[in-house]
Amino acid sequence: TQLLEQSPQFLSIQEGENLTVYCNSSSVFSSLQWYRQEPGEGPVLLVTVVTGGEVKKLKRLTFQFGDARKDSSLHITAAQPGDTGLYLCAGPFAAGNKLTFGGGTRVLVKP
Amino acid sequence: DAGVTQSPTHLIKTRGQQVTLRCSPKSGHDTVSWYQQALGQGPQFIFQYYEEEERQRGNFPDRFSGHQFPNYSSELNVNALLLGDSALYLCASRERGNYGYTFGSGTRLTVV
Repeated sequence: TQLLEQSPQFLSIQEGENLTVYCNSSSVFSSLQWYRQEPGEGPVLLVTVVTGGEVKKLKRLTFQFGDARKDSSLHITAAQPGDTGLYLCAGPFAAGNKLTFGGGTRVLVKP
Repeated sequence: DAGVTQSPTHLIKTRGQQVTLRCSPKSGHDTVSWYQQALGQGPQFIFQYYEEEERQRGNFPDRFSGHQFPNYSSELNVNALLLGDSALYLCASRERGNYGYTFGSGTRLTVV
């Protein structure tokens, strides 16, 4: 079974602090996607990383794909209450395959 | 531009009944996937449709079936509902060849 492990499961921080969420697997991804989901809504795609070692920045969010394409991280700088949500990593383990999701990291940013 | 549309938004069914959920993909998208998301967990892949055929299937029993129509819209059918089928059912679409999926807001199914 191909699994994605996310850590931590829950993160509570104060506004202005930084945070990092991790996504790991024993298998190689062909690509890796990060989504954010708010209560009562479906996941919203934040970024897709494809190349090992790739780093992508989206305003205060930085996404990194491991060199071996088995792990990824999401770093948020100076978190704001609007960053609160469930962060999910997902990837196909081969091009075109089904999208496998991690269990998610619930982030709470307190004002 | 409308994204992925799902109906109904909420549904309550009795154990043993059958249910049909509907999904209209984002304009220009031809591939539709269905996911089940239990409370506090990540979505679990049910199946994917392309060109009106089921292309991939997750670890779900045959009680779960689907269909894709020529206009790319899709249905998810669940027979003989169990209490454990209570979950948020998400539909996602993408343009074939692209990586990212667009998700609908889901249908919250409660089985009593």
